[in-house]
Amino acid sequence: SQTIHQWPATLVQPVGSPLSLECTVEGTSNPNLYWYRQAAGRGLQLLFYSVGIGQISSEVPQNLSASRPQDRQFILSSKKLLLSDSGFYLCAWRMRPGTPLADTQYFGPGTRLTVL
Amino acid sequence: SQKIEQNSEALNIQEGKTATLTCNYTNYSPAYLQWYRQDPGRGPVFLLLIRENEKEKRKERLKVTFDTTLKQSLFHITASQPADSATYLCALVDGNNRLAFGKGNQVVVIP
Repeated sequence: SQTIHQWPATLVQPVGSPLSLECTVEGTSNPNLYWYRQAAGRGLQLLFYSVGIGQISSEVPQNLSASRPQDRQFILSSKKLLLSDSGFYLCAWRMRPGTPLADTQYFGPGTRLTVL
Repeated sequence: SQKIEQNSEALNIQEGKTATLTCNYTNYSPAYLQWYRQDPGRGPVFLLLIRENEKEKRKERLKVTFDTTLKQSLFHITASQPADSATYLCALVDGNNRLAFGKGNQVVVIP
């Protein structure tokens, strides 16, 4: 069966510090991968998605970046965090469109980031 | 612009009653619509998917309807239980085949 992992689970970082959040998926290959942010009282905001190794699409301009160094690994980074980067970061995977079960998106447990 | 709207007010409901949530959308022509459940501090979990050619879908105590004319989906929890307390998100696929989510509607089932 497929599983998705995120770490760390919680993180407190000072303004201006770097960030690296990691997401890995097991039990599937060639998934589409997604990074979302959920701020308090707000909906899920899609930040990045990837359809393959090294292929990243950005949905919103910001000081965050994403990378996909391996098929089942997705990393969210920042060189300098802002206060507004605080939130709940969720990684998700989905089978490639056109494949069975491609309609459903599966989320990881999330990382709670607090920038002080 | 595209919008997915869910009631921002929490729905408080007595145990055993039916909870009904609404999801309205504008400027989408989704091939399907999904509902997810999210508990505090956790990622959303997929519940149900309903396609544009389906009027109704059921899974245990859950029922979803999809009216593409009204651009609306209704999500029902029958015989609600305290364990059903959570936030429920509707999601639909946009023209780029990416899922867009509503902000969610909280349900509180009172024992």
